[in-house]
Amino acid sequence: DQQVKQNSPSLSVQEGRISILNCDYTNSMFDYFLWYKKYPAEGPTFLISISSIKDKNEDGRFTVFLNKSAKHLSLHIVPSQPGDSAVYFCAASEGEYNQGGKLIFGQGTELSVKP
Amino acid sequence: ETGVTQTPRHLVMGMTNKKSLKCEQHLGHNAMYWYKQSAKKPLELMFVYNFKEQTENNSVPSRFSPECPNSSHLFLHLHTLQPEDSALYLCASSHRSGSTDTQYFGPGTRLTVL
Repeated sequence: DQQVKQNSPSLSVQEGRISILNCDYTNSMFDYFLWYKKYPAEGPTFLISISSIKDKNEDGRFTVFLNKSAKHLSLHIVPSQPGDSAVYFCAASEGEYNQGGKLIFGQGTELSVKP
Repeated sequence: ETGVTQTPRHLVMGMTNKKSLKCEQHLGHNAMYWYKQSAKKPLELMFVYNFKEQTENNSVPSRFSPECPNSSHLFLHLHTLQPEDSALYLCASSHRSGSTDTQYFGPGTRLTVL
């Protein structure tokens, strides 16, 4: 049973507009969440993270929102740029040390930003 | 070389072959990881090494055998694989193996088992 789900396999957005990528999780013990970005033929690269004690974390054009009651997080990219076109993975972990770095990943959402 | 490197980038092998995947990190990290990504599926953690000691084996079949001779190198030895083992194998490293330590990924090895 998948504990982290990204229900949209793809998303297409116009350059300059907002991109919203969604992620749902089922394990209420998850307390740390991350977004990774992956270009073709490259490994995933860390983008932004959020601890469960926060509901928002912002880094430049990227903002992650966490709704613990709904077990939902989202990544907002504003404004979207063609270089943002990639696959975005949501990941979650349980306990800073308890799980030994075990990240549970979603299936990924492929974002395409059109010029 | 910088970051995390993996060789080979592509590998085709028969079910009776023995091969090894290599990962090297140049970041001074102490934890290293093997992940598997099958088509249309999430990345799955396979093994975790912390200071050369294996700390996680995520119920991986014994036909996959990891080796971590030092904190900079990680190998995945493959033998008698099945076609369903065809996937992208990603290596990652982090400062420590805590969940909040950012993991840095290599480009992956695309494995095809015939």
